[in-house]
Order: sequence, then C-alpha cells, then structure tokens
Amino acid sequence: QKEVEQDPGPLSVPEGAIVSLNCTYSNSAFQYFMWYRQYSRKGPELLMYTYSSGNKEDGRFTAQVDKSSKYISLFIRDSQPSDSATYLCAMSLTGTASKLTFGTGTRLQVTL
Amino acid sequence: DTGVSQDPRHKITKRGQNVTFRCDPISEHNRLYWYRQTLGQGPEFLTYFQNEAQLEKSRLLSDRFSAERPKGSFSTLEIQRTEQGDSAMYLCASSRPGQGSNEQFFGPGTRLTVL
Repeated sequence: QKEVEQDPGPLSVPEGAIVSLNCTYSNSAFQYFMWYRQYSRKGPELLMYTYSSGNKEDGRFTAQVDKSSKYISLFIRDSQPSDSATYLCAMSLTGTASKLTFGTGTRLQVTL
Repeated sequence: DTGVSQDPRHKITKRGQNVTFRCDPISEHNRLYWYRQTLGQGPEFLTYFQNEAQLEKSRLLSDRFSAERPKGSFSTLEIQRTEQGDSAMYLCASSRPGQGSNEQFFGPGTRLTVL
C-alpha cells in the first residue's frame, strides 16, 4: 500500500463546475500538505501549502486538511478549461527541508 | 523570471551511456532537491542538498547515480551506464532557508529517454 493514495481519474467536468480532488494517507506523522498542478510535460506548480488541519483559501482554490481522517481535499470553484491538468497532492513530515511524498495525481479535464 | 531552471530539457541516449543533468535553483534558495517522475506516477524523492552538503539520499539512488552541488548553487545529477528503466522525467526543486519553509518550487524537468 502506498503512503499516499489518489484517484488517478480522469475526472471530466463542465466549465463552471466545482471540482473536488482528494487524497488519503497512511502516515499520521505528516504535518505539511501541498497541492501542485502539472500540465503535460511540464514541472509541477505549487498551488496551495497548508499546515496541519483546517482550511485555506486562495482565489478559486480551497484546500482542506482533516488529520483525524488522514484526508485532504482541494476544491476548485468556477472551473475553467485552463484548469485542465494533473493535480498532485504532496505531504511532508516537517516544515523545514523535508522530502515530499506525492500521490499519483488526478487528471482533470474541464470541458466547454 | 528567476525560477528553477534545468538543462537539457530533453535527452535521448543509448543504453550504457553516461548522462549529466544540471539544475539552477532560485537564487536565494539554499535547499535543492532531485525527484524522478515516471509516466502516470507522482514524483519520487531522490536526494536533497542544503548548501553544498548532500543530507539525504533515497534508496532509489543506486550507485550508478551521483549528485553534486559543489558551490552550493547549481547542482548536477549524473547517471552512469544508463538502463532503459532510467527513462523518466528528472525534476529539480528548491526551497528557501528558514523554519517552516518547505515550499518547494519545481523546474521544468529533464526528460530522459534511454534506447
């Protein structure tokens, strides 16, 4: 079993929909949680960075962390075709110079 | 833009050849990471530098792999005697100094194809 599980999709939604992306993890020691967006054949781009449980909002993006359930989510409001990409969750044990453990990524397609 | 840069972007080589990749981190970042990503998977950690010191290496980093960061600025990743299983995207990331600063910013990657 992988440390971080993520549904690979693909997930197809119409433009304007609310998208929910999720990851579960097994290591309760993870403290820092991130979401990256990766376009095809490009490097990952950091979208959200959160510590411990709670919510964080940035524009159309909201990240949620529920450490008691070992479950994190990324919500995208008013989805756009430009949001079509692979979304990777990542987590680390500490907030200082710690390797990231990634999920496999969920491929999202936003259609017109 | 002074983001993370990697060179080359693509490399095709024959099995058994040696290859070297370069990463230039964001200028004020003292921490540098290498990851490997295969198709349909998330990136996997390979190794990490703080300044010029290599502080952690993954079991994925076999003895055919070596990474250096001689002056604490750019880093190189060398793969000797390449194998077809080495075909992947090699990603470099950097993060700034200080506590609570594990935000890692990635470069565009070097895509390696071993024939």
